[in-house]
This record gives sequence, structure tokens and C-alpha cells, in this order.
Amino acid sequence: EAQVTQNPRYLITVTGKKLTVTCSQNMNHEYMSWYRQDPGLGLRQIYYSMNVEVTDKGDVPEGYKVSRKEKRNFPLILESPSPNQTSLYFCASSPSAGGPYEQYFGPGTRLTVT
Amino acid sequence: AQTVTQSQPEMSVQEAETVTLSCTYDTSENNYYLFWYKQPPSRQMILVIRQEAYKQQNATENRFSVNFQKAAKSFSLKISDSQLGDTAMYFCAFMRNPLFGNEKLTFGTGTRLTIIP
Repeated sequence: EAQVTQNPRYLITVTGKKLTVTCSQNMNHEYMSWYRQDPGLGLRQIYYSMNVEVTDKGDVPEGYKVSRKEKRNFPLILESPSPNQTSLYFCASSPSAGGPYEQYFGPGTRLTVT
Repeated sequence: AQTVTQSQPEMSVQEAETVTLSCTYDTSENNYYLFWYKQPPSRQMILVIRQEAYKQQNATENRFSVNFQKAAKSFSLKISDSQLGDTAMYFCAFMRNPLFGNEKLTFGTGTRLTIIP
């Protein structure tokens, strides 16, 4: 089944404890992206990647890191989480190559930082 | 920067009725894409419908259709014969023509739609 997977789905952690949220897609997509969803703000892009070893900042990159060493994986790293990073996180992927630019979303990761 | 506005935070409608969700956007671009996503209680983001700005014909997907008014920068979603499974948060989203690679979606704040049995 074609899908985007994220792990973990739920995570409660403490301030300052490094964590990684994994994202993997099995559709050979070139483009991948991370969003965070907060009440009243919709979804906002954190980072994106156009291909292996090609990553760039989105609208809200502060406090996050990413890497793209393999085409299928795009982990989101929080080196020192803070309570304002409590949010619902989505990974998305797209085949790119000229369209139709339909993005496939993962199931979401609910992160709580205390 | 592009902005997307959904002015209806919540709506409710009786099952089998028709409902229209509004969305307006602001951009100076001429080529772009517009989307409606559905987020049910499971939180999964599901693409409902897509519209390319260069196409004059309004997109339709079964019971879902859009009214795309490019000059007015308006992109409303009409749901016909509404069903209980349509209960969800609906997000309008904008994507500028990704000539330089970033397929960033700019989302509105959402409309929570409840279908009443």
C-alpha cells in the first residue's frame, strides 16, 4: 500500500531532551516536507526537501533540524525541545516532476513538551 | 506572501443537504494551485479536490465541487447530498507555481463542519 508513515504517533517528553520523529514514504517521491498544525493557525511548513541531500527552511524552521540521506526517509529532529513546540506534526511527500503536485500526508505525530 | 482566509470557523448542516464553505486568498501570482483538504477526527489529511488557476472550468469530484473565481480570488467548496462521514475540519490551501521546487502549501485556519443526522 502506498503510504507515508510517521513514528511515533504520540510522544510526551520534557524540555531539552533531544528527540527524532521519523517519516518514511514508499512511493519513490522526490519531494518531502514537514508541517506543524496549531489551533487557529492551520498548518505551517517547517522544512522541505526536493531530493536526497537537498533541504531548505520553510516558514517556521527555528528549533528544528532535518536530514535527507535516503530518498524514502525525512526525519525531523528537535535538538532541545521547548514547550512552544508542543504541536501536531505532519510529514508529506509528492512525486514532483511537473505536477499535479498532490501531496500525500502521514497520519500525524502528536508531540507534547512539558 | 500569500494568505488564505476561511471566514467560517464552524458550520453545521442537516444530512442530505448542500453546504458551501468559503475561502479567499491573496496573491500577486498568476499561476498557482488551490486545494481543499479534509481532516476527520482521525486527524488524517485527505485531499478532497484540486484546481489549477489556469483552468477556467471548475473542478468536480463526485459530490464535491468548487466555485473558482480568479478575479475575486475566491475558492469555495460545495458539498452536495452531505453525509455523516463528511463531518470534519476542512482546510483551504494555496500553492504557488513551484518553479523553484518548494511545493509549500499555505493553509487557511479551517472550517469545522458538522453533519447533523
